[in-house]
Amino acid sequence: GQQVMQIPQYQHVQEGEDFTTYCNSSTTLSNIQWYKQRPGGHPVFLIQLVKSGEVKKQKRLTFQFGEAKKNSSLHITATQTTDVGTYFCAGWQGAQKLVFGQGTRLTINP
Amino acid sequence: NAGVTQTPKFRVLKTGQSMTLLCAQDMNHEYMYWYRQDPGMGLRLIHYSVGEGTTAKGEVPDGYNVSRLKKQNFLLGLESAAPSQTSVYFCASSSRGFYNEQFFGPGTRLTVL
Repeated sequence: GQQVMQIPQYQHVQEGEDFTTYCNSSTTLSNIQWYKQRPGGHPVFLIQLVKSGEVKKQKRLTFQFGEAKKNSSLHITATQTTDVGTYFCAGWQGAQKLVFGQGTRLTINP
Repeated sequence: NAGVTQTPKFRVLKTGQSMTLLCAQDMNHEYMYWYRQDPGMGLRLIHYSVGEGTTAKGEVPDGYNVSRLKKQNFLLGLESAAPSQTSVYFCASSSRGFYNEQFFGPGTRLTVL
């Protein structure tokens, strides 16, 4: 079945540094979603990308969807302690099931 | 609105015991999902439902059963718990239609000894 791979598994940065996580699928994705899970919390939806080559921004977060719709990335500029958590990408298998990547856990040294 | 709620928040079972996890949502969502989360493995889909009275298997359904007797509730059952089922369980729901965002509950931390 469809697999969604996410790297790196862990990332530790100094506050103010940038952070990027990458998501790759074994098959072409119809669209991709990104979620954030704070420590001890539950996943919360951030954004969905649909179009090939699409780029969306949310303040310091930039999301990209690859031209071939098989990869995606999340970039955070100038990290803050509030960015701590695990970031998941997820691709749809059919129209009813999301397949999640393993997640990238971000920790920040203030 | 409470959103998605899960009961209980924590539970410790002995091998072979059974239990039911309850998920409830007040957003009138058609679709509901049960995931398990293990370190380094992300979220894996156990079972899901696209409407009252319907259920379907996900990626890791073995050892679990589900029921959706009411639209707002989705129950996950473990008939004979095993240590491999130690995990954090999340319920999620979404509205009908393609590719909608999922709303997650706070999770249930289950330990099987």
